[in-house]
Amino acid sequence: KAGVTQTPRYLIKTRGQQVTLSCSPISGHRSVSWYQQTPGQGLQFLFEYFSETQRNKGNFPGRFSGRQFSNSRSEMNVSTLELGDSALYLCASSLGLATVGETQYFGPGTRLLVL
Amino acid sequence: GEDVEQSLFLSVREGDSSVINCTYTDSSSTYLYWYKQEPGAGLQLLTYIFSNMDMKQDQRLTVLLNKKDKHLSLRIADTQTGDSAIYFCAEMDSNYQLIWGAGTKLIIKP
Repeated sequence: KAGVTQTPRYLIKTRGQQVTLSCSPISGHRSVSWYQQTPGQGLQFLFEYFSETQRNKGNFPGRFSGRQFSNSRSEMNVSTLELGDSALYLCASSLGLATVGETQYFGPGTRLLVL
Repeated sequence: GEDVEQSLFLSVREGDSSVINCTYTDSSSTYLYWYKQEPGAGLQLLTYIFSNMDMKQDQRLTVLLNKKDKHLSLRIADTQTGDSAIYFCAEMDSNYQLIWGAGTKLIIKP
């Protein structure tokens, strides 16, 4: 069974631009969660989608948004990029809601550099 | 708020056992996880333990949980160079949110 895939793997943007990251979950998994990983803040939860609906949200500004499609694939969008948005963005999929204890499986991440 | 703490680095000789420690503050945590992250890669689930267990063994990996002291450890027997990675401890709190440690970088000496 293929694992979680994320595209692109690397991205360079400039301040003020917007970016869209994509995540394809493991086949059959209906939940997709997004995390931001930075050296200073560690891993931080962005949001979780299940059945095309956002079910849980972390403490990030409204510039960070996401959506999930009927095939469970998910996209994350960051608008008006700031230097501090440079990070590794990880996507994780699970059969059911991660927030009720389902184990998550992570993708390789998208490394975003904002110049 | 809840917190998970780990040492930032651990250095061991190839062939020795590695013990990575983690402490957490949430007394009502439900699950505790160990993830491995190799350079340039995402997080790989290594193992997890329910909070009502005190030990779990899986091949070279042994997880010990001391719920009274809120202490979790991961022991890797016969450490190999392929075990070089950052190991993250995470606990699922009573609101089913994952709280992550900062990660422990495991360095293998020949």
